[in-house]
Amino acid sequence: QQQVKQSPQSLIVQKGGIPIINCAYENTAFDYFPWYQQFPGKGPALLIAIRPDVSEKKEGRFTISFNKSAKQFSLHIMDSQPGDSATYFCAAIKNTGNQFYFGTGTSLTVIP
Amino acid sequence: DGGITQSPKYLFRKEGQNVTLSCEQNLNHDAMYWYRQDPGQGLRLIYYSQIVNDFQKGDIAEGYSVSREKKESFPLTVTSAQKNPTAFYLCASSGWGRGEKLFFGSGTQLSVL
Repeated sequence: QQQVKQSPQSLIVQKGGIPIINCAYENTAFDYFPWYQQFPGKGPALLIAIRPDVSEKKEGRFTISFNKSAKQFSLHIMDSQPGDSATYFCAAIKNTGNQFYFGTGTSLTVIP
Repeated sequence: DGGITQSPKYLFRKEGQNVTLSCEQNLNHDAMYWYRQDPGQGLRLIYYSQIVNDFQKGDIAEGYSVSREKKESFPLTVTSAQKNPTAFYLCASSGWGRGEKLFFGSGTQLSVL
């Protein structure tokens, strides 16, 4: 069973738009939530991460919003650019160790 | 340069053949992982290892085997028992502790001839 549910599967936005990718989880033992960005033919790279003691984290044009009570978190990309076109994965890690649980990924296309 | 090196980038397997994917890291990380990536299915954990000479099965270990004889190396063998091996395989490593970052290699694309 999928421990982390991610949506949408694909997303197309115009340059300058704000794509939003959503993830949800059930296990309250998760306490670290990273997002990874993957370009075709490459391995994923860490983009931004958040812990549940804060509701929002920003790094440049990337923002994570976290709703602990709803067990949901989302990635927002401000002023999106064609170079942001990639697959994005959310993940969750338990407080007991380093086993990473990944969402199924969102393929983002930013049209010039 | 510190990082994770996977080889080869492309690999072809014949029916009934075992193939081994290489993964080497020079980040001095304790933990290493193998993931399989199929379109629309995200990243699925095959095996992981926290320390040398110890490893654990992930969600889809059947048809795969690993070894961890050195801290730097974690090779994955895709055996003939894996009937659907065509996928993109990713090796990763991290420190062992809360919130440690996961670093990925550049992947190996395995296809069946």
